[in-house]
Amino acid sequence: KAGVTQTPRYLIKTRGQQVTLSCSPISGHRSVSWYQQTPGQGLQFLFEYFSETQRNKGNFPGRFSGRQFSNSRSEMNVSTLELGDSALYLCASSLNPGELFFGEGSRLTVL
Amino acid sequence: QKEVEQNSGPLSVPEGAIASLNCTYSDRGSQSFFWYRQYSGKSPELIMFIYSNGDKEDGRFTAQLNKASQYVSLLIRDSQPSDSATYLCAVHLTGGFKTIFGAGTRLFVKA
Repeated sequence: KAGVTQTPRYLIKTRGQQVTLSCSPISGHRSVSWYQQTPGQGLQFLFEYFSETQRNKGNFPGRFSGRQFSNSRSEMNVSTLELGDSALYLCASSLNPGELFFGEGSRLTVL
Repeated sequence: QKEVEQNSGPLSVPEGAIASLNCTYSDRGSQSFFWYRQYSGKSPELIMFIYSNGDKEDGRFTAQLNKASQYVSLLIRDSQPSDSATYLCAVHLTGGFKTIFGAGTRLFVKA
């Protein structure tokens, strides 16, 4: 059974640009969550989607957005990038609440 | 007050000893509790979950939950160098559709 797939794995952007990250969940998993991980802040919850609906959103500015498609694949977008957005962005899918299966992450560097 | 608090460590134990990792949470409405392990440069992976007060054992791992004290712990018996990792405590807020993570405790098992 394939795991959670995130693309791209690494990317470098400059301030002011935007970025789109993609996540394909484990087959049959309809819930997809996104997290930002930084050394200083740890794992911070961004949003959770289920059946194309955002059910919760973390304390991030509106520059951070996401969506989920009918096949449960999800994307997140960060617009007007800032240096502080440099982080590992992790996607996780789940069948049962809280039992998260993480992808390998997308490491974003903003210059 | 952070929603999920852990001692950041590092916690250092000799091989074969018991490692004890602790976590407190603030939301009394929390219903399910998880321990994730994250090796350096890797994504978190789920190792234990517990829903009811008391102990839950799985191999060398025992999770303990005390809802009255809002306290969760993880015991690792017969610690091995391969257990050296960061252990993340997580709490799922029922109805909130989000799982919140603590900052993690770094564990070192000395051979």
